[in-house]
Amino acid sequence: GQQVMQIPQYQHVQEGEDFTTYCNSSTTLSNIQWYKQRPGGHPVFLIQLVKSGEVKKQKRLTFQFGEAKKNSSLHITATQTTDVGTYFCAGRRTGTYKYIFGTGTRLKVLA
Amino acid sequence: DVKVTQSSRYLVKRTGEKVFLECVQDMDHENMFWYRQDPGLGLRLIYFSYDVKMKEKGDIPEGYSVSREKKERFSLILESASTNQTSMYLCASSLGGTNEKLFFGSGTQLSVL
Repeated sequence: GQQVMQIPQYQHVQEGEDFTTYCNSSTTLSNIQWYKQRPGGHPVFLIQLVKSGEVKKQKRLTFQFGEAKKNSSLHITATQTTDVGTYFCAGRRTGTYKYIFGTGTRLKVLA
Repeated sequence: DVKVTQSSRYLVKRTGEKVFLECVQDMDHENMFWYRQDPGLGLRLIYFSYDVKMKEKGDIPEGYSVSREKKERFSLILESASTNQTSMYLCASSLGGTNEKLFFGSGTQLSVL
C-alpha cells in the first residue's frame, strides 16, 4: 500500500496567503524530491533534498527534510495564481532505485 | 532539453485486448519508469528499468509487463486489458548515478471499455 502520505489533499488559499504541504513516510528515505504538476500537465521536478535536516529555498518556495529523514515539507510564501497545481513529494527507499510518490496536494489560489 | 515522448495522448481499448504503451527518451538515460496516476492515489510505480533488458517490479505490477530492448525505449504491456486499468499512464526517465531527477512524458490517458 501507499507508504508516503501527504496532507492536506486539497488547499484553497487567497492570493498572497502562505501555503504548506507535508509529506510523511513510514520508512526512512535516502532522499526526497518535490514535483509540481499543473492542471492537464505532467509532473515537473522542483528540487531534491538528501541530508537530514536540510533546508533549501527557491525564491518563494522553502523545502525541508526532517531530521529522521521520514518527513518533508514545502512552504510557499505569498502565493500567486501561477502556483496553482498539484504538488507531489517522492521519496527513494534506501537501497533501491524506486521513488514512491506521495498522494499529492492540490493547490488552488483565488485571485 | 530532455524529451520523453509517449506514443499516444489518448487511447481507447476494449476489455481483453492486448495494449502496448510506448515511451522513448532522447538523452541516453539509464533509468526508465512507468507510473499510473489515479485521483486521490497520486502516482504509483508499476515497473522500472535501470539498464537495457533489466527490469524490476514496482508496487503494482499485476496485469502488466514491460520490455526494454533498447536503452531509449521502454514499453508497457497490458496483456489483457481490464476496466480497472483505465488510468493516466506516465513514463519517466532519469540519468542515473547521483542524478536522480525524473523527467516525465506527457502521459497516455487509457480508457478500457
